[in-house]
Amino acid sequence: SQQGEEDPQALSIQEGENATMNCSYKTSINNLQWYRQNSGRGLVHLILIRSNEREKHSGRLRVTLDTSKKSSSLLITASRAADTASYFCATLETSGSRLTFGEGTQLTVNP
Amino acid sequence: DAGVIQSPRHEVTEMGQEVTLRCKPISGHNSLFWYRQTMMRGLELLIYFNNNVPIDDSGMPEDRFSAKMPNASFSTLKIQPSEPRDSAVYFCASSSRQGAEAFFGQGTRLTVV
Repeated sequence: SQQGEEDPQALSIQEGENATMNCSYKTSINNLQWYRQNSGRGLVHLILIRSNEREKHSGRLRVTLDTSKKSSSLLITASRAADTASYFCATLETSGSRLTFGEGTQLTVNP
Repeated sequence: DAGVIQSPRHEVTEMGQEVTLRCKPISGHNSLFWYRQTMMRGLELLIYFNNNVPIDDSGMPEDRFSAKMPNASFSTLKIQPSEPRDSAVYFCASSSRQGAEAFFGQGTRLTVV
């Protein structure tokens, strides 16, 4: 099974609203990464948060990490139609270099 | 840099044929990953290399799949013989070091009929 599990599987919001996606994982990690995938394209890295960090910002993105709950969240503020994509969390396990992806959240931002 | 380059972008082949997917990682990157993406199973890590050496191939589904990295600038994923259930998008990704962000290619969409 996937290391990371995203919640919700699909999210539909209006432009300007905030979008929050959650990720849970099972093992100890070195870091957790969020990626975006537009339909028919490869994945693009958004942000990386290390296991000793609790929060990180990049532009309109805010990521939190709670290692005690083995969970992370991605917040996209003031969403735009161009943010429509699938968003994946990926975990780097402490045991090695395996970068394992969750099943993704399909975000639709309606103009 | 042009990014991670995969070829071909699309491949349609008949069941039983050999398929070879190719990947050129970003220059200077020493970690390379092969993933498979399907609707049913999501993104699966097939194998990854570090400094051209296979580190973990536990995700390779069966002996029909093999991967090589003869040098730092080239890797192949071969399926022989191919089956319809191998139909998927195959992604190659590279990173500058273990644990760093991964850069993905555009993928190869494989259809086995």
